[in-house]
Amino acid sequence: GAVVSQHPSRVICKSGTSVKIECRSLDFQATTMFWYRQFPKKSLMLMATSNEGSKATYEQGVEKDKFLINHASLTLSTLTVTSAHPEDSSFYICSLTGLNTEAFFGQGTRLTVV
Amino acid sequence: AQSVTQLGSHVSVSEGALVLLRCNYSSSVPPYLFWYVQYPNQGLQLLLKYTTGATLVKGINGFEAEFKKSETSFHLTKPSAHMSDAAEYFCAVSDRPSGTYKYIFGTGTRLKVLA
Repeated sequence: GAVVSQHPSRVICKSGTSVKIECRSLDFQATTMFWYRQFPKKSLMLMATSNEGSKATYEQGVEKDKFLINHASLTLSTLTVTSAHPEDSSFYICSLTGLNTEAFFGQGTRLTVV
Repeated sequence: AQSVTQLGSHVSVSEGALVLLRCNYSSSVPPYLFWYVQYPNQGLQLLLKYTTGATLVKGINGFEAEFKKSETSFHLTKPSAHMSDAAEYFCAVSDRPSGTYKYIFGTGTRLKVLA
């Protein structure tokens, strides 16, 4: 399967600061990228969908000014958690797809806001 | 609209025993169905998928699943559990075989394998 690199795998930040998470496709062109959030012992909650060169589409209840998504190229998408608070602590996972491919997932990022 | 229900948030089996993880779906269009496995603090790995054709689908690590339209089910099975199978398993449905549309995930089933 395709290789998706998500970085960092773990990050601890202070409340009020911003954190950027990167998701890269290493061997195919990702036309669509998804960002998910996973709460402990829960399923994946889709946060937003982004197509290369377009603004992201956010799911209901997700603050687009807090969770900034940039899909600048066919190989890179970033999620920036702005002014992070302890309730933003979670496991974030990206997913990339190309034309006529299933979704490939990153390894996830464990964000802890203290 | 589509939805997925996974029966049993926790399943325990003995090593060597049959593994059965249940998934039922709801879809107004022909569904495309997926099973993913997640190990602690890692992303999701595709186990197998059903798009069209043969309803019995074989995946990696000895897992297989059967699409039963009449029962709206896509249960995951493995004849003999191994300790390394302990993980979280997610069933997902999409209305397209590719990933260009978002998946709807079930709530997951945590599999525990007893020695």
